[in-house]
Formats: sequence, C-alpha cells, structure tokens
Amino acid sequence: QLQVQESGPGLVKPSETLSLTCTVSGGSISSSSYYWGWIRQPPGKGLEWIGSVFYSGSAYYNPSLNSRVTMSVDTSKNLFSLRLSSMTAADTAVYFCASVYGNTLFEYWGQGTLVTVSS
Amino acid sequence: EIVMTQSPATLSVSPGERATLSCRASQSVSSNLAWYQQRPGQAPRLLIYGASTRATGIPARFSGSGSGTEFTLTISSLQSDDFAVYYCQHHSNWPWTFGQGTKVEIK
Repeated sequence: QLQVQESGPGLVKPSETLSLTCTVSGGSISSSSYYWGWIRQPPGKGLEWIGSVFYSGSAYYNPSLNSRVTMSVDTSKNLFSLRLSSMTAADTAVYFCASVYGNTLFEYWGQGTLVTVSS
Repeated sequence: EIVMTQSPATLSVSPGERATLSCRASQSVSSNLAWYQQRPGQAPRLLIYGASTRATGIPARFSGSGSGTEFTLTISSLQSDDFAVYYCQHHSNWPWTFGQGTKVEIK
C-alpha cells in the first residue's frame, strides 16, 4: 500500500518561501495512475487543494495560489516537493501531501505537517 | 471554480441512529463527487467516490447518492468511530474544491 510522508520546517518567517517534501513509499512515484498533490487546512477550518504534479513534471495549481506555487518531482528519490513563496500569516495551516488517483481522488494522505508563519 | 456547500454545519446524532449529510455544487459535476472523513488530529480518509462507490475497506453502512448538483452521504447506524467531520469534494474539473465540512457529533 502506498504511503506518503511530509517533511519540512514548522516555522516560516513572513515574506519567505516555504519548502516541503513528500516522500513516497510502497510504490513508485513514476506510476501513470497517480498525480501527487498538496492540500492545506488552516487551524479549525476546511480543506484547500494547492496543486498536483505528475511524475513527468506536468503540474496543475489552484488559481488562487498559482503565482506563488511551484511543485516538482524527483523520481530518483521517489519524492515530490512544494514551494510556496511570499508567505503570510494567512498561509498558516496543516499541509498534507497525498496520492491523487486518476488525477482526481485524494487516496492516500500523509499525517500532515503544521506550518506556522511568524517572525 | 465550482463552489461546494455542505449542510448542516453540525449534526447531532445518537449512536446507532442514521445520519444524512448534504452537499450541493454550484454547477453540475455529474457524478464526480467524493466524500472524506476526518477524525480529530488525523488526515482525511476517502470514503466514497463517483458519488456512490465506496473506497476500499469502507464499511457498507456508508452510502452515497446523487448526481448533478445535489448529493447525500448516509451513515446507516452511527458507531463511535464515525463521529468526525465529513467533507465533500468534486472531481469534475480543475480546480478541485471541497465543501466546508459537516461535523457529526454525539447527541
């Protein structure tokens, strides 16, 4: 069974760039069945899709974040990454990575990592 | 983007009773609707996709119905593990969006 696990800093300063990594195990990130996605959840609030990336590097981003988001894949390490620039307090959230089956369904999720934006 | 609206925000139900949750899309998503369960402190878990197909390992007490813009998740007999927040998500076209969630709490 696929497993995904987030890693990265828990604290980011305002205006800086957040970098998170998601390591995939139990399967290949190069599978044609999956995209790989990031979703976030502000404390006490709902879920927001950030973007999804295919192993080839093809990516789709939420238009609300499009200008600030970059996602990439490292097939040699079986991981994918998120970069979110110009962080503000509004970006404070739990960030989840997930496998996206058929490019539509968030099937396997990581446990999430809390990112706080504060000076 | 398609806006997903869930109701009610909170549903108080006694163990063993039936719970009915609603999700409405701002435009037709056909049957491209998924439901997720999120227990406190945990990641969401995929329950239903294609409006009515249970994901692997999901008990039969969870059922989904609907098409177009109106959808329902029914939990036939609530068990202790089912008290959680439930989210709908359309998987019709980019960008994917979620509803704001329905919290099912113990009455």
